[in-house]
Amino acid sequence: DTGVSQDPRHKITKRGQNVTFRCDPISEHNRLYWYRQTLGQGPEFLTYFQNEAQLEKSRLLSDRFSAERPKGSFSTLEIQRTEQGDSAMYLCASSPLSGVSYNEQFFGPGTRLTVL
Amino acid sequence: DAKTTQPTSMDCAEGRAANLPCNHSTISGNEYVYWYRQIHSQGPQYIIHGLKNNETNEMASLIITEDRKSSTLILPHATLRDTAVYYCIVRPYGGATNKLIFGTGTLLAVQP
Repeated sequence: DTGVSQDPRHKITKRGQNVTFRCDPISEHNRLYWYRQTLGQGPEFLTYFQNEAQLEKSRLLSDRFSAERPKGSFSTLEIQRTEQGDSAMYLCASSPLSGVSYNEQFFGPGTRLTVL
Repeated sequence: DAKTTQPTSMDCAEGRAANLPCNHSTISGNEYVYWYRQIHSQGPQYIIHGLKNNETNEMASLIITEDRKSSTLILPHATLRDTAVYYCIVRPYGGATNKLIFGTGTLLAVQP
């Protein structure tokens, strides 16, 4: 078990460009979450997948944001036409649907996005 | 919005117990208290959770008041590696999504 991994760890882009982040959850974790964290704040929930189904999206997830989890394993988060306000740490977490760790979320190291 | 109130920051001497308070006066009967921490430049890490009884694991102890309106996370022997932001979160157990709603947390600085 290697934990949740995210790629890239850092991304610098220019305003208006599109970016895509990848998250690989712990294997066999059915639940996958994306959060966004800005400086000095706690993480904010963006969206939730159970297997391949996207079951909840926050109002924070504007039309420029899209997330997928096509085969119920890894997930991608795409931001189109990035804005400076999108600069943040994007965190991915996963958890199982049952078992001892049912109510724990296991977080990845995050992708830090800087929009110039 | 977060349903908890925590002090912005706290200091603790290395080797001493760190007691981190949290107020959750509007907690509902089906809501549990969870604690996570976030060490600088890392993702949050689960610590412990509880409903109304005190809980203990290898990382910490959780003391919940009888009226459940507040709780205290106790790190019995704080080390420098425990310096982190500690988040107290309330949420239903077994909710539809189990999403976490974080506040701004308490920055615990363990001093040598």
